[in-house]
Amino acid sequence: SYELTQPPSLSVSPGQTARITCSGEALPKKYVYWFQQKSGQAPVLVIYEDSERPSGIPERFSGSSSGTMATLTISGAQVKDEADYYCYSRDISGNRVFGGGTKLTVL
Amino acid sequence: EVQLVESGGGLVQPGGSLKLSCAASGFTFSVSTMHWVRQAPGKGLEWVGRIRNKTNNYAAEYAASVKGRFTISRDDSKHTVYLQMNSLKIDDTAVYYCSRHYKTDVPPLDYWGQGALVTVSS
Repeated sequence: SYELTQPPSLSVSPGQTARITCSGEALPKKYVYWFQQKSGQAPVLVIYEDSERPSGIPERFSGSSSGTMATLTISGAQVKDEADYYCYSRDISGNRVFGGGTKLTVL
Repeated sequence: EVQLVESGGGLVQPGGSLKLSCAASGFTFSVSTMHWVRQAPGKGLEWVGRIRNKTNNYAAEYAASVKGRFTISRDDSKHTVYLQMNSLKIDDTAVYYCSRHYKTDVPPLDYWGQGALVTVSS
């Protein structure tokens, strides 16, 4: 079955740039979406269609995709950005899948 | 204000059945595609399935892990989507979220419910 691969964890200091990657064979042809999930809360969409930011999401969140890898970038990460981040996409057949998630620590 | 409220979670024995509901408000439910996503305790998100709108014949799609056991339906008059879960397994224990894809020109999964906990245990 199709998989999206993310690093399990990432740690940065406040003010640094956090880059979370997501790799998948179908990404050259399929959009990637990124979700933020804080402890005990429902997920929140932070990036859609590789690089678009929904209204209300801070500008420090950005996304890009090249080849089989997509990247969520948090420029000037803040303590309140500490959360689990998931990428989401589809395989060539249209099946929907989430990445395994990346736990971002900001301290 | 867009709201999605899940209900119907609880404790069920392996092999049993349970039906979740997700009541929607604050948007035109009937044009939306509705999704279910689950999260096992301490684990990541897993897409469960979706149901499209009347224009798309209420077509439903499922993840391989639940196909043949779970059924998604909807009642547009009640602004509610359902997840019927049969032949439940211990591995189905999770928080189940509903989410929407409002229109094709709006990003999918932009609003989520608070989740309903389903525990499968003897």
